[in-house]
Amino acid sequence: EVQLVESGGDLVQPGGSLRLSCAASGFTFSDYGMNWIRQAPGKGPEWVSYISSSSDTMMYADSVRGRFTVSRDNAKNSLYLEMNSLRDEDTAVYYCARVQWLDDYWGQGTLVTVSS
Amino acid sequence: DIVMTQSPDSLAVSLGERATINCKSSQSILYSSNNKNFLAWYQQKPGQPPKLLIYWASTRESGVPDRFSGSGSGTDFTLTISSLQAEDVAVYYCQQYYTTVRAFGHGTKVEIK
Repeated sequence: EVQLVESGGDLVQPGGSLRLSCAASGFTFSDYGMNWIRQAPGKGPEWVSYISSSSDTMMYADSVRGRFTVSRDNAKNSLYLEMNSLRDEDTAVYYCARVQWLDDYWGQGTLVTVSS
Repeated sequence: DIVMTQSPDSLAVSLGERATINCKSSQSILYSSNNKNFLAWYQQKPGQPPKLLIYWASTRESGVPDRFSGSGSGTDFTLTISSLQAEDVAVYYCQQYYTTVRAFGHGTKVEIK
């Protein structure tokens, strides 16, 4: 069974940093690209970042480019999102999703709250 | 970037009646080499992640009731719930996966009239 479990969400002050993790199981993690997708309270989902299976391609939404960094460790079946210079508008539930053409499996999400 | 526009923002339908949600992409998401539309529909209930209902615009995900159907091609797509059940109350989103930079519609809230 495919499972994706996010962790690392927390309350952080504006300008602060946070590192999210996504633990994958039930499939060959190194065969798949992965997305980070977030959803602010009461809003629709918003794509944040993509990383290819071998980490040779990373892409970012304009809203986070230069502040967020996506990475993965295929030996640990883990995906990461390093978030710096956090802003109020980064407050959201952050999901990791497996990419097989579409985003076919999503985790349950981890909540990031940016507030003073 | 591709922009997805959904309508209506919300709709109230009587139990057993049809619900129709529309989604329009700012450019064609039909890939000519495989003749597939890169369009998915998700259902989201409060406190849960989006659940995949439909992909390739019209293929139902395993386990999704056949009252859910998707149609359309190119830039215009529709999700139809043929006979609304109480458990279908949710927000529905369309999403294009034609590009790595994903785009979602803003959602349609479906309620019982």
